[in-house]
Amino acid sequence: SYVLTQAPSVSVAPGKTARITCGGDKSGSESVHWYQQKPGQAPLLVIYHDSDRPSGIPERFSGSTSGKTATLTISRVEAGDEADYYCQVWDRGSDDPVFGGGTKLTVL
Amino acid sequence: QVHLQESGPGLVKPSETLSLTCTVSGGSIITYYWSWIRQRQPAGKGLEYIGRIYSSGSTIYNPSLKSRLTMSVDTSKNQFSLKLTSVTAADTAVYYCARISLDDGSFDNWGQGTLVTVSS
Repeated sequence: SYVLTQAPSVSVAPGKTARITCGGDKSGSESVHWYQQKPGQAPLLVIYHDSDRPSGIPERFSGSTSGKTATLTISRVEAGDEADYYCQVWDRGSDDPVFGGGTKLTVL
Repeated sequence: QVHLQESGPGLVKPSETLSLTCTVSGGSIITYYWSWIRQRQPAGKGLEYIGRIYSSGSTIYNPSLKSRLTMSVDTSKNQFSLKLTSVTAADTAVYYCARISLDDGSFDNWGQGTLVTVSS
């Protein structure tokens, strides 16, 4: 089955740039979506279709893909960005969504 | 902006049926796929896709839960529902309802989530 791999944790100092990667079996043509989940809250879509931002999401959040790896980049990191981040694609084989295991972003 | 709200019992006994409803407001339930996703406890566990239902009532379930799962939709009430039978402690989780984007398969709107504990 389709597997998306994320590093369990990433740490970054305030004002610096955080990069969270999502790698796996994807063929490279599937859209990758990213969610932010703060403690006690529901996930929030922050990037869809690899690099598009929903309305209300700061420009500091950006997405990119290269081959089989997608990257969520958070520029000028703030304390409020501390959260779990999940990537997701749609597995065309099973016609079901697949989530990565999540990356905990810690702001030092 | 579409708003989703889960409702249902927070405590279910082992072997019984877990039932949840998601009420959609601020938009129509028509012509969208609607989904259930859970996050097992303790907090910080990953997101597990449960299944989805179209506004017409057609369903697609996660194969690992399919034998215990039933989803339904009531377009007159702008609601969709989940029933999971024969629950065990492993079904203890925060359950989220979410809307699936027609364009790209992202989950673009989520409910706040509801914790369901399976315990006697």
